[in-house]
Amino acid sequence: DIQLTQSPSALSASIRDRVTITCRASQSISNYLHWFQQKPGKAPKLLIYAASTLQSDVPSRFSGSGSGTDFTLTISSLQPEDFATYYCQQTSSPPWTFGQGTKVEIK
Amino acid sequence: QLQLQESGPGLVQSSETLSLTCTVSGGSISTSSYYWTWIRQPPGKGLEWVGNIYYTGTTHYNPSLKSRVSIFKDTSKNQFSLKLNSVTSADTAVYFCARPRSEYYYSMDVWGQGTTVAISS
Repeated sequence: DIQLTQSPSALSASIRDRVTITCRASQSISNYLHWFQQKPGKAPKLLIYAASTLQSDVPSRFSGSGSGTDFTLTISSLQPEDFATYYCQQTSSPPWTFGQGTKVEIK
Repeated sequence: QLQLQESGPGLVQSSETLSLTCTVSGGSISTSSYYWTWIRQPPGKGLEWVGNIYYTGTTHYNPSLKSRVSIFKDTSKNQFSLKLNSVTSADTAVYFCARPRSEYYYSMDVWGQGTTVAISS
């Protein structure tokens, strides 16, 4: 199975901060890497697919980069509604796997 | 607009079979090249892919569950379903159905709201 390791597991940040979350795959997954945002009691919401393509209706402050084994999700200016848990997911080969999540909290 | 809705019992006895259904609206489950998937999330934990069914009926399962899981579809009802046998407390989770887009690297843009299943002993 392909393992995805996210870092950090949690972070505290202030409004308008720039936030970066990384996701490292245990083997190359090309750009079959997606990012989700999840709020308590809700289904995950797709933010970025294919490593760097912004899903429709997602604010442009979210961006993704990377290819192969190393990927990054960046929030350019953190907004109050962005406090949530973020997951990366690979769909390069089954079993599709998720990172363990990064919880973004208010400082 | 495509929408998914999970349904099923919220409580299942240990060693019994968990059965859930995802009803698809706003689109056909038989649409060419469409996949349909189940994902679960134990309380306070991360997400785990359970398995997929392709529009042709071909299935793929998580090897960690493979001997206990089956996914099938009912095109007449526009539904797909999950069965998980011999459940234990480790199967307590919120179960989501979702639609991976094969044309976009299998990214999942549409999800159901999730249904909570507790396993009781």
